[in-house]
Amino acid sequence: AQKITQTQPGMFVQEKEAVTLDCTYDTSDPSYGLFWYKQPSSGEMIFLIYQGSYDQQNATEGRYSLNFQKARKSANLVISASQLGDSAMYFCAMRERPNNAGNMLTFGGGTRLMVKP
Amino acid sequence: EPEVTQTPSHQVTQMGQEVILRCVPISNHLYFYWYRQILGQKVEFLVSFYNNEISEKSEIFDDQFSVERPDGSNFTLKIRSTKLEDSAMYFCASSDWGSGANVLTFGAGSRLTVL
Repeated sequence: AQKITQTQPGMFVQEKEAVTLDCTYDTSDPSYGLFWYKQPSSGEMIFLIYQGSYDQQNATEGRYSLNFQKARKSANLVISASQLGDSAMYFCAMRERPNNAGNMLTFGGGTRLMVKP
Repeated sequence: EPEVTQTPSHQVTQMGQEVILRCVPISNHLYFYWYRQILGQKVEFLVSFYNNEISEKSEIFDDQFSVERPDGSNFTLKIRSTKLEDSAMYFCASSDWGSGANVLTFGAGSRLTVL
């Protein structure tokens, strides 16, 4: 079974509008961390936002927020006020047992977001 | 802002040749990682490294791969005898122990093309 599923291979959004990128995950570990990374066409992986499984509130970082629904095992990324520079691939990733830094991140297949002017 | 630097940005090699990809992690980070991304596919974990030894590795990281921290700053990935299927973008990452999130900071990647 896939540990991280991103069901939207591609999405369009109008500039200045909000967009939600879906991510569902599968783990039996009660302690885990969820991450979103952005990969522009230049190829680098840029960290956006983190949510710990025990965090009481949804994470926010500027225009990025994470809609964390633990019972549904979803961690959707919400980008408000989209900008042209937001056009990129977006990857959801999970680390189980987040306090052990030796543990790996498992990535989803990514969603390509295209912002229309 | 501190960053992870990788060299070369692109390497083309013949099948069967040895390749070394180099990384300079963030200076106060203690944990180092290699990931790879075959074109159009998801990012895959290869190996994590801490305290001068491998702490975790994936099934991809077989005997043809090795990692080394030859000095206090560099972290290298060696592929002994490259295969066509090793063509991919290889990402180095590092993290510190201090934050609960323990965010991995990735480099810009080294694109390896095996002919």
